[in-house]
Amino acid sequence: DAKTTQPPSMDCAEGRAANLPCNHSTISGNEYVYWYRQIHSQGPQYIIHGLKNNETNEMASLIITEDRKSSTLILPHATLRDTAVYYCIVREHSNSGYALNFGKGTSLLVTP
Amino acid sequence: GAVVSQHPSWVICKSGTSVKIECRSLDFQATTMFWYRQFPKQSLMLMATSNEGSKATYEQGVEKDKFLINHASLTLSTLTVTSAHPEDSSFYICSARAALAKNIQYFGAGTRLSVL
Repeated sequence: DAKTTQPPSMDCAEGRAANLPCNHSTISGNEYVYWYRQIHSQGPQYIIHGLKNNETNEMASLIITEDRKSSTLILPHATLRDTAVYYCIVREHSNSGYALNFGKGTSLLVTP
Repeated sequence: GAVVSQHPSWVICKSGTSVKIECRSLDFQATTMFWYRQFPKQSLMLMATSNEGSKATYEQGVEKDKFLINHASLTLSTLTVTSAHPEDSSFYICSARAALAKNIQYFGAGTRLSVL
């Protein structure tokens, strides 16, 4: 899997957009970008994934650069409940059943 | 959305005893389930991958005789920590992948194991 690099921590004011960057400069053509988050003492939660087009769902937006070497997860209006560790994972989108490899992620703190 | 139930959420046991943790996919069939372990302030570490009806595949350094995994049906996998010791105290998390969900995994809420 391609290696990902994320800042260890970020702060965001409640109600503002949280933009979480991820670098994956060695990503290959058939690898997708996945985002998960883990709220303290809970299991990880799937957020969104994408290949090359920007994606949006009810939780977040995913912006992938044209060269696919980096991406940004956007939480448009952060709330205190969005405080969590956010993981960017690059993986092939296959049925091989391989596990996800979690790095250190970005610890996002949303403040009042 | 897909729901994975993990039970118990918290268990305390004496050293030398065994503990069983259940992981169920409630609204989908999980062809593959994964077991992770997470120590404080660290990321998730994969312990093993289990496919329904076959033996689990363990990661290097994980003792298969100590961490028994059974995936007898498409909705249930169990992890048994045998002869638990204090160093086995950790947060254990399971995840399940639906047959057609590619690499989207759904996670249980985790089990906090404390061995005295």
